Amino acid sequence: GAVVSQHPSWVICKSGTSVKIECRSLDFQATTMFWYRQFPKQSLMLMATSNEGSKATYEQGVEKDKFLINHASLTLSTLTVTSAHPEDSSFYICSADRATLLGNEQFFGPGTRLTVL
Amino acid sequence: QKEVEQDPGPLSVPEGAIVSLNCTYSNSAFQYFMWYRQYSRKGPELLMYTYSSGNKEDGRFTAQVDKSSKYISLFIRDSQPSDSATYLCAMSPGGGNKLVFGAGTILRVKS
Repeated sequence: GAVVSQHPSWVICKSGTSVKIECRSLDFQATTMFWYRQFPKQSLMLMATSNEGSKATYEQGVEKDKFLINHASLTLSTLTVTSAHPEDSSFYICSADRATLLGNEQFFGPGTRLTVL
Repeated sequence: QKEVEQDPGPLSVPEGAIVSLNCTYSNSAFQYFMWYRQYSRKGPELLMYTYSSGNKEDGRFTAQVDKSSKYISLFIRDSQPSDSATYLCAMSPGGGNKLVFGAGTILRVKS
């Protein structure tokens, strides 16, 4: 199967600190990874598209200086929430794109729950 | 109007029932259609992946795509309490494109 892991699964931090979340594709290479944010009882909101070896593409309204994305290898993308504030508390989920004969499938990680005090 | 419309439910059915979940969309460029299942506080799990119109079956799950009507469905046969989750439809124009998600339908299967 296609497995995507995220670390940490949950994190609590103080306001003003930075938090790094890792997303790894464990059994396939992913040129493209995506970062989503999900609020309770809501659907996923795409934050940015992460491409290996190049700058991430951010969705409208997402601050690129606040949510730093690095896609250093074909199996790892990181999201760093800088100077976190309580309003950044959310469920962050990554996905990795896997190419197939019929097109690309996206597989999601288990998510990271961030709580900013 | 949203690009993808999905009734958020909740949909409550007895165990063993056939469940029908649906999404409509407005963008005729969508070619790839997916259904994800998401349990509370977990990441979405890919259930079904289809390209263009037609049916696809996998165990108790059947996905249907009708591009002429811009309508997709997921059927769950012999529903089980463990099927209780949020089901998200998603679609994209092509490989590597970002997905557009529906709002998700909450399904509750009562034992």
